[in-house]
Amino acid sequence: AQKITQTQPGMFVQEKEAVTLDCTYDTSDPSYGLFWYKQPSSGEMIFLIYQGSYDQQNATEGRYSLNFQKARKSANLVISASQLGDSAMYFCAMREKTSYDKVIFGPGTSLSVIP
Amino acid sequence: DTEVTQTPKHLVMGMTNKKSLKCEQHMGHRAMYWYKQKAKKPPELMFVYSYEKLSINESVPSRFSPECPNSSLLNLHLHALQPEDSALYLCASSQRGGNTDTQYFGPGTRLTVL
Repeated sequence: AQKITQTQPGMFVQEKEAVTLDCTYDTSDPSYGLFWYKQPSSGEMIFLIYQGSYDQQNATEGRYSLNFQKARKSANLVISASQLGDSAMYFCAMREKTSYDKVIFGPGTSLSVIP
Repeated sequence: DTEVTQTPKHLVMGMTNKKSLKCEQHMGHRAMYWYKQKAKKPPELMFVYSYEKLSINESVPSRFSPECPNSSLLNLHLHALQPEDSALYLCASSQRGGNTDTQYFGPGTRLTVL
């Protein structure tokens, strides 16, 4: 069974608008970390933001924020004021305490920012 | 500084060649990873080294051979590859492993097997 689901294979957003990329996950481990990565067409995976399962507050990093709803097992990425350079693949990932060295990636969402 | 470097950036090889991919980090990280990524797909884990010991091998064919000569270096030796092995190979490192530990990725090597 897929542990990370990203239901939006492709999305479009107007420049300067906000956009939400969905991520739901499945785990029975009470201790886990959630990560978002951006991958432009150049190929490099760029770390964006982290949320721990015990963190009380939603994580924020500049224009990125993570809408963490633990009971729903949801960790959506919100990008505010989209820029053309935000066009990329976005991957949600999870790391469980019991699977120490493994990171599980979702299938990804391709975001295109329109001028 | 969260830099992971990988060389070469691009590699074209024939099915009978032997080549190596190199990955380096100087962040003092003790866990290092090799991933294979096909276009429009998420990265697939191949190998994990933790404190210079191989901790995970995801049933990767023996034509891929990892090596961790020291805590900063990770190599992937390639021999007798198949065309379906053409992909982006990503190296990553993290402090020590664990659910709070962020992986940092290198820019990748784009491999083409003819």
